[in-house]
Amino acid sequence: AQSVAQPEDQVNVAEGNPLTVKCTYSVSGNPYLFWYVQYPNRGLQFLLKYITGDNLVKGSYGFEAEFNKSQTSFHLKKPSALVSDSALYFCAVTQWGTGFQKLVFGTGTRLLVSP
Amino acid sequence: DSGVTQTPKHLITATGQRVTLRCSPRSGDLSVYWYQQSLDQGLQFLIQYYNGEERAKGNILERFSAQQFPDLHSELNLSSLELGDSALYFCASSVVGDTEAFFGQGTRLTVV
Repeated sequence: AQSVAQPEDQVNVAEGNPLTVKCTYSVSGNPYLFWYVQYPNRGLQFLLKYITGDNLVKGSYGFEAEFNKSQTSFHLKKPSALVSDSALYFCAVTQWGTGFQKLVFGTGTRLLVSP
Repeated sequence: DSGVTQTPKHLITATGQRVTLRCSPRSGDLSVYWYQQSLDQGLQFLIQYYNGEERAKGNILERFSAQQFPDLHSELNLSSLELGDSALYFCASSVVGDTEAFFGQGTRLTVV
């Protein structure tokens, strides 16, 4: 069964500093990996995905993520954090070629960017 | 705006009652997914429909059921409601499986 772990409940970073939100996954085959962000009282917004190809994936709002197969990780990064990036971030995984979309989400990491 | 519309936005009902949540997917999307978000269990996949047919089932209780209609909108029916069913219920849609899903803003269900 596929699973995702987000080891940090909260990440604190100062505005202008780089940020990393960690994610590790477990699947039996090739994974599809996703990052979503949730702002208060809003739905989940898609940030980026890894399907195949380059290990560094660029997404919305300046975010990027690095796929590392040997470490089964898909950490979310941004070179310079903004206060407006403060939100709840979810990593998700589904399995390649299953023909359906059963996204399994991590528990979420709250990012707090201080001015 | 993701293009996925969920109604109602908020719902308060009593234990034992039945409610129906509605979802209109993005134009052209054939797949609809339902998720439950609660404080204790996080985001859980409930069920997926593709072009009117059930395709995948997750941790959906027997008291819950869903369907997708010919116009592709979907409804999630929750019956014999319990306090623990209080949660945010999300609908998402995608063009076909194995691509990113776009989420609606959710229906917040409160069972009292």
